[in-house]
Amino acid sequence: ETGVTQSPTHLIKTRGQQVTLRCSSQSGHNTVSWYQQALGQGPQFIFQYYREEENGRGNFPPRFSGLQFPNYSSELNVNALELDDSALYLCASSLAPEDTQYFGPGTRLTVL
Amino acid sequence: AQSVTQLDSQVPVFEEAPVELRCNYSSSVSVYLFWYVQYPNQGLQLLLKYLSGSTLVKGINGFEAEFNKSQTSFHLRKPSVHISDTAEYFCAVTLGASNTGKLIFGQGTTLQVKP
Repeated sequence: ETGVTQSPTHLIKTRGQQVTLRCSSQSGHNTVSWYQQALGQGPQFIFQYYREEENGRGNFPPRFSGLQFPNYSSELNVNALELDDSALYLCASSLAPEDTQYFGPGTRLTVL
Repeated sequence: AQSVTQLDSQVPVFEEAPVELRCNYSSSVSVYLFWYVQYPNQGLQLLLKYLSGSTLVKGINGFEAEFNKSQTSFHLRKPSVHISDTAEYFCAVTLGASNTGKLIFGQGTTLQVKP
């Protein structure tokens, strides 16, 4: 059984560009949550997807958007990148929203 | 609103010594509490969680935590640490009145175990 995987591992973009990050959930998990972890900080909740629908959102602007696919993998899209978007982006999957979350290794995004 | 405060940003300790990492939370509703560990260049791994029941929770790798409602605390303890315990530790609570899986994390505590 494979764990949660994320791609790419690292990414460098410039201000104003758009980026798509991908997450493959653990087998059988229908819930994916995304977090942003700035350097030296704890992760911050961006949003959660449950059975292909958004199931709650943190305090992030609309230029952060997501998708969940029928196989429960997920994408995080960020438009109009800003320097402060530089961070480690973590996704976590779970059997259901209330169950234990299993985190992937993250995608390190650098915005120049 | 819910928030989490980890009282120590860094905790240096010698190998085989006991350690306590402190976490306080503020919430006006029932809480569900978690401790996660993050090793360098890795994602987060769940150490333990408190959902209900016994206030003393045992987790993996010999860690335990005690939920204290009156002091709104959930401190993490280990009686004897190893070099391999060196990592970043995060306390978290859920967002909302039930365990929705939407976690609010503290700032983290770096545990540095010295030989």
